[in-house]
Amino acid sequence: SSELTQDPAVSVALGQTVTITCQGDSLRNSYTSWYQQKPGQAPVFVIYGKDNRPSGVPDRFSGSSSGDTASLTITGAQAEDEGVYYCNCRDSSVNDPNWVFGGGTRLTVL
Amino acid sequence: QMQLQESGPRLVKPSETLSLTCTVSGGSISSNSYFWGWIRQPPGKGLEWVGSIYYSGSTFYNPSLKSRVTISVDTSKNQFSLKLSSVTAADTALYYCARQYRLLLPNWFDRWGQGTLVTVSS
Repeated sequence: SSELTQDPAVSVALGQTVTITCQGDSLRNSYTSWYQQKPGQAPVFVIYGKDNRPSGVPDRFSGSSSGDTASLTITGAQAEDEGVYYCNCRDSSVNDPNWVFGGGTRLTVL
Repeated sequence: QMQLQESGPRLVKPSETLSLTCTVSGGSISSNSYFWGWIRQPPGKGLEWVGSIYYSGSTFYNPSLKSRVTISVDTSKNQFSLKLSSVTAADTALYYCARQYRLLLPNWFDRWGQGTLVTVSS
């Protein structure tokens, strides 16, 4: 099966812009969804498809994709954006529908 | 507002079968727009997709777990269930059930249960 690779940790100064990346072969054929998980809570999806935000997600969150890499950008990071971010896509390396998650990136807002 | 709630034993002995049920409220599990999935998270680690089911009964499993996993659906009770056989300590995890939008890629998980911690120990 396919894998999605994320940097384990990223930090950003309050109010600055940060990009979290996700790399994998399946991303060449599938859009990504992104999830934010805070301690003790279930994940919440923040981006789906090419660059779509569910209602209630601030517009400082955006997504993009190029080749085998998907990116989540937070423009003007806030303290409440701290958490672990996971990417997720459909695994194109197998015939049956399968889905994979990246290992997660822990975001610290300084 | 749709809600999902996991239930089942929190402690399972090694080699036995883990069984969890997800009860869906605030909407029908028989919608043609959604799959219903299980995702797990070992303590301090990342998310792992376990499997998904459509209300018709079609199932999709993580290849690494396929030989041990069974997911079923009971539309009359608006529930779906997970069984994982021959468990070991490596199956200790927080198990989430989630709703998965099926009509567009990447088939995102848009509603999650709160998760239930299942520990495998004698």
